Amino acid sequence: GENVEQHPSTLSVQEGDSAVIKCTYSDSASNYFPWYKQELGKGPQLIIDIRSNVGEKKDQRIAVTLNKTAKHFSLHITETQPEDSAVYFCAASRLASYDKVIFGPGTSLSVIP
Amino acid sequence: GAVVSQHPSRVICKSGTSVKIECRSLDFQATTMFWYRQFPKQSLMLMATSNEGSKATYEQGVEKDKFLINHASLTLSTLTVTSAHPEDSSFYICSAPLAGSAHNEQFFGPGTRLTVL
Repeated sequence: GENVEQHPSTLSVQEGDSAVIKCTYSDSASNYFPWYKQELGKGPQLIIDIRSNVGEKKDQRIAVTLNKTAKHFSLHITETQPEDSAVYFCAASRLASYDKVIFGPGTSLSVIP
Repeated sequence: GAVVSQHPSRVICKSGTSVKIECRSLDFQATTMFWYRQFPKQSLMLMATSNEGSKATYEQGVEKDKFLINHASLTLSTLTVTSAHPEDSSFYICSAPLAGSAHNEQFFGPGTRLTVL
């Protein structure tokens, strides 16, 4: 089955700096890679996603890159703000109807004002 | 966007009792829903796939007789933790994909915090 790894497990950055979280996946059949933000005591919220036929996607301060050959994908947050502090999960899935999403172990991001 | 609700948000029960958690898709129909469990400072681990009108599919290592899943309608799936024990204390989260959305986007519920005394 699919296995998703994620690094680092914790990340502290100064407000305004960039944060980068990296993930790898094992199943070459995975072709959809969402990123979720989870605040304490809440369910995860989708913040950005990317399909395997795209190498990069950007949405304001958030960008995701994908290297399908190497099975790597990364999340980049620029101009970080204190409200970006949360746990971030990468995930992998097959873009089939209702396929399950496998989560990485998570990264706890702290943005220091 | 689509909304998934869970009830209750928190539950405390005694060891040996059973607890039912509901997951509802509020403004869309979901033939499939997913149940996850999340222990403190850990990731979401998929427990089972709930299928409307048929048996749930459980992930390896998840006891189907302990975690009963019923997906009786297109908007409701229930997870019953039977004979709960303290080690079952966890954050239970459901999700439902929205058919027709980009990438069959999954919408997650707010979670249910279960504490077994």
